[in-house]
Amino acid sequence: SQKIEQNSEALNIQEGKTATLTCNYTNYSPAYLQWYRQDPGRGPVFLLLIRENEKEKRKERLKVTFDTTLKQSLFHITASQPADSATYLCALDNFNKFYFGSGTKLNVKP
Amino acid sequence: DTAVSQTPKYLVTQMGNDKSIKCEQNLGHDTMYWYKQDSKKFLKIMFSYNNKELIINETVPNRFSPKSPDKAHLNLHINSLELGDSAVYFCASSQGAQASYGYTFGSGTRLTVV
Repeated sequence: SQKIEQNSEALNIQEGKTATLTCNYTNYSPAYLQWYRQDPGRGPVFLLLIRENEKEKRKERLKVTFDTTLKQSLFHITASQPADSATYLCALDNFNKFYFGSGTKLNVKP
Repeated sequence: DTAVSQTPKYLVTQMGNDKSIKCEQNLGHDTMYWYKQDSKKFLKIMFSYNNKELIINETVPNRFSPKSPDKAHLNLHINSLELGDSAVYFCASSQGAQASYGYTFGSGTRLTVV
């Protein structure tokens, strides 16, 4: 069966450290993978998209990698700040439909 | 200037009632979606419209009927509401069905069926 797995346990890190979130998938062959941020009571906000032929994408303090062999994407936030605390969702496409993981909650402590 | 706006934000209703949720986007996007987020936070696609044409219809009970009067609006009507319909419903839009620039989501409608 098809699965998208993100760590359901919250990730707690200290301000200034790098946060690394994982998205693993099974039985998908996505051409794109996206990452979103969701704050409580709000809709997800698009952060980054990475294509299957791209190994890495960066935007300011964010970095995403996409390994189609491992079927995994890693999402990094460098120099993390308390304002980065939120739930982060990965989404991958399957014939123009995007399927979302359940997200990982990130807590950045001052 | 809200990019994707949905109303109402909260909806509490009794089982068996019929209700509608409205969505409008002012981004000029050509594709709009309804997603359902359950209590475990999974976002599941329900429907997608591209230029008023239905292009995605996931396995959703036919009590749910979307309607797109124009490409800036996508409404969701739900008949005979059931307890299991309680969830947060998100409207989203994108430029192109491939969503190469990501989705823009509304802030959600929390539906509670009692």
